[in-house]
Amino acid sequence: GQQVMQIPQYQHVQEGEDFTTYCNSSTTLSNIQWYKQRPGGHPVFLIQLVKSGEVKKQKRLTFQFGEAKKNSSLHITATQTTDVGTYFCAGPVAGTASKLTFGTGTRLQVTL
Amino acid sequence: DSGVTQTPKHLITATGQRVTLRCSPRSGDLSVYWYQQSLDQGLQFLIQYYNGEERAKGNILERFSAQQFPDLHSELNLSSLELGDSALYFCASGGNNQPQHFGDGTRLSIL
Repeated sequence: GQQVMQIPQYQHVQEGEDFTTYCNSSTTLSNIQWYKQRPGGHPVFLIQLVKSGEVKKQKRLTFQFGEAKKNSSLHITATQTTDVGTYFCAGPVAGTASKLTFGTGTRLQVTL
Repeated sequence: DSGVTQTPKHLITATGQRVTLRCSPRSGDLSVYWYQQSLDQGLQFLIQYYNGEERAKGNILERFSAQQFPDLHSELNLSSLELGDSALYFCASGGNNQPQHFGDGTRLSIL
């Protein structure tokens, strides 16, 4: 079945450093979504990318969808302690519009 | 506030028991999704309902079942509980190439 892997599993940075998580799907995706889950919280939708090569920015966060629509990345510039959490990518299962396969997640820890 | 309501927030029970988790989707959303998240694990899709009908199934055990009622709220029933069923259970609504909105989850502890 479809698999969505993320690397790294865990990253610990000092506040102000940059952070990137990479997402790789075993199949081509019609779109990719990114979610953030704070410790003790629930996943919260961040963004959706649809087009091949698409790049979107949200303040210090930059999201990219690969040309082949099989990979994506999330880059955070100058991390802050509020960025702490686990970041998940998710893509629709092939042949469905609604059923999502979530990536394995990257847990980000930020210290002062 | 995502608009998705899950009850109860916490549930503690014993092996062999049966529990029911409840979810009310956001106003206007016809789809409800159930996920299981074990400690330090990712989100495992269990099942989806759309407007009262089962739409998709994931890795849901036979001991687990779900339904969606005419008012669109959904219930996830877990029976013959085992220690390994201890996890966070999330409900989400939305979907169909649109974002999913998650509830706060139900933390199930099996003793």
